Amino acid sequence: DIVMTQSPDSLAVSLGERATINCKSSQSVLYSSNNKNYLSWYQQKSGQPPKLLIYWASARESGVPDRFSGSGSGTDFTLTISSLQAEDVAVYYCQQYYSTPATFGQGTKVEIK
Amino acid sequence: EVQLVESGGGLVNPGGSLRLSCAASGFTFNDAWMSWVRQVRQAPGKGLEWVGRIKSKINGGTADYAAPVKGRFTISRDDSKNTLYLQMNSLKTEDTALYYCATDYRGSFEIWGQGTMVTVSS
Repeated sequence: DIVMTQSPDSLAVSLGERATINCKSSQSVLYSSNNKNYLSWYQQKSGQPPKLLIYWASARESGVPDRFSGSGSGTDFTLTISSLQAEDVAVYYCQQYYSTPATFGQGTKVEIK
Repeated sequence: EVQLVESGGGLVNPGGSLRLSCAASGFTFNDAWMSWVRQVRQAPGKGLEWVGRIKSKINGGTADYAAPVKGRFTISRDDSKNTLYLQMNSLKTEDTALYYCATDYRGSFEIWGQGTMVTVSS
């Protein structure tokens, strides 16, 4: 199974500042035939199910604010919140779908400083 | 409105069985690949674990499972009722979790239900 490791486990960022979350996969999730990275990001607020933010490592899901962006390729990926808002307090997860079973990172908790 | 609603969770003894249901509305269910994902509530980070997936009938309708549940859990679907099922047998304490159903589009989980809690305890 592909192991997904996120860093940091938690971070506190001031309102309006940038938040950066890293995700590393134990093997590449880049499919060479279509040059796509099989990597998604989710946001989970307290008491709610996860919400898909990003797929193909950098494609924003419909309705997701453009302050959320995804980048990276191969084994190293980043989710960036360009200007943190109060409503962004949540746990964020990366997930690979390159191979079965799909696997998730352990999550990164984002709080307001 | 696109919606998934899980039901059927509860308290069950180790070794027991439970069947979860997931009612879908607002999208073409028979075209959708569907997954079950569970979340352990007490573990640090409350991690997410993929349980299994069933393809649409037009893509064969077959199911795949995570290793910890293979041979004990069965995923099925009734497209006439827009409903997904998870039959769980030989339950273990480590199966205790909040179980979500989700649409499985290109491997990403787009739409999630609110989840149904399964507690395995004597």
